[in-house]
Amino acid sequence: QSVLTQPPSASGTPGQRVTISCSGSSSDIGTNYVYWYQHLPGTAPKVLIYRNDQRPSGVPDRFSGSKSGTSASLAISGLRSEDEADYYCAAWDDSLGWVFGGGTKLTVL
Amino acid sequence: EAQLVESGGGLVKPGGSLRLSCEASGFTFTRHSMNWVRQAPGKGLEWVSSISYSSTYIYYTDSVKGRFTVSRDNAKNLLYLQMNSLRAEDSGVYYCARDHLANRGFDPWGQGTLVTVSS
Repeated sequence: QSVLTQPPSASGTPGQRVTISCSGSSSDIGTNYVYWYQHLPGTAPKVLIYRNDQRPSGVPDRFSGSKSGTSASLAISGLRSEDEADYYCAAWDDSLGWVFGGGTKLTVL
Repeated sequence: EAQLVESGGGLVKPGGSLRLSCEASGFTFTRHSMNWVRQAPGKGLEWVSSISYSSTYIYYTDSVKGRFTVSRDNAKNLLYLQMNSLRAEDSGVYYCARDHLANRGFDPWGQGTLVTVSS
């Protein structure tokens, strides 16, 4: 059971906006930065969002992150077929080290 | 371009040992903390261990404490994970990942190396 809680699945049609939630606690999301990673099976995971809401260069602005209290969310607008992947939130926990969410499998219908 | 390449995975019996390596290139290895993250079959990502650039700070997830040892050779740009007393639940793909500077997350990640613990 993961420390950070994510929905196991999400879906949307091309062009839609999808949001993935990530719930934590005061010792992780509540006091530290949140990160989001995209993982296509068989490939190396890739950072999508760092420091709660910052995008690395090369990541489309269709991807956005936010944080409020002990929760965070990843929003993907203008959904595209190539966005179909597993998405993970992560944060440093002051007692446990790095903690990840269980992952959300995004399906583009 | 920063690149990480893992090696050393394989099939090992329960109770056995394995040493994973991660070769770094394309960046100044000595400036970065490094991490190991694993993914069990059909499961999500799980952080395993972190080591600071000078090896001063080392962290492990609880389930591997006392069994796994992370180390690095900054002269050779290599990161290691020595895994002892392996269990079936240690099976999975092991990724090494660079801790980007200024809290920019784990970037990049390697392609991973598969560890299978089975009799």
